[in-house]
Amino acid sequence: ETGVTQTPRHLVMGMTNKKSLKCEQHLGHNAMYWYKQSAKKPLELMFVYNFKEQTENNSVPSRFSPECPNSSHLFLHLHTLQPEDSALYLCASSLTFHDRRETQYFGPGTRLLVL
Amino acid sequence: GNSVTQMEGPVTLSEEAFLTINCTYTATGYPSLFWYVQYPGEGLQLLLKATKADDKGSNKGFEATYRKETTSFHLEKGSVQVSDSAVYFCALITQGGSEKLVFGKGTKLTVNP
Repeated sequence: ETGVTQTPRHLVMGMTNKKSLKCEQHLGHNAMYWYKQSAKKPLELMFVYNFKEQTENNSVPSRFSPECPNSSHLFLHLHTLQPEDSALYLCASSLTFHDRRETQYFGPGTRLLVL
Repeated sequence: GNSVTQMEGPVTLSEEAFLTINCTYTATGYPSLFWYVQYPGEGLQLLLKATKADDKGSNKGFEATYRKETTSFHLEKGSVQVSDSAVYFCALITQGGSEKLVFGKGTKLTVNP
């Protein structure tokens, strides 16, 4: 248990569906992250929020839409996804974004399958 | 740009064998280095880290030493257990640059009884 929870753990959706992934951290951190983990590829950073403000968007397609209503919660809204978007989506948090000594703590991930 | 290169897996060992997983990096500035572990069906967990040259990170019998001269951070364990079967990721983050955590591709370790 890392203090970062994600729901749902598994999700199957069609290409026309709209769904949302939720991440919650109980660590008092101020920075939160979304990563994508695909088979045989390094983890890809998607978005970074620092004190609720988006500071990074790594050229992610607009069919992924993040939302950070407060420092403890992070959402990833999904719509009109493609089969190649099937992956494990990991949420992480850290105390701050700008200190390289800070550790990122990861949630268990949401396994997404797009049909 | 920053990058991490890990030895290709999978690695299969017998219980109590010695483990080394190689990791080298390229980075601007002075990175912090990390090893994360991902057990089957779970997210990533920090295993150990080192924030400056010659630091040794250690946890659960695993060790890695930050070698600036060889830009390496190899993971070692003297005697592996079946419960160590997982995927291991080497990662770095720099300050004053992109400040993003950059991961290697991961090395899958299977330990047989």
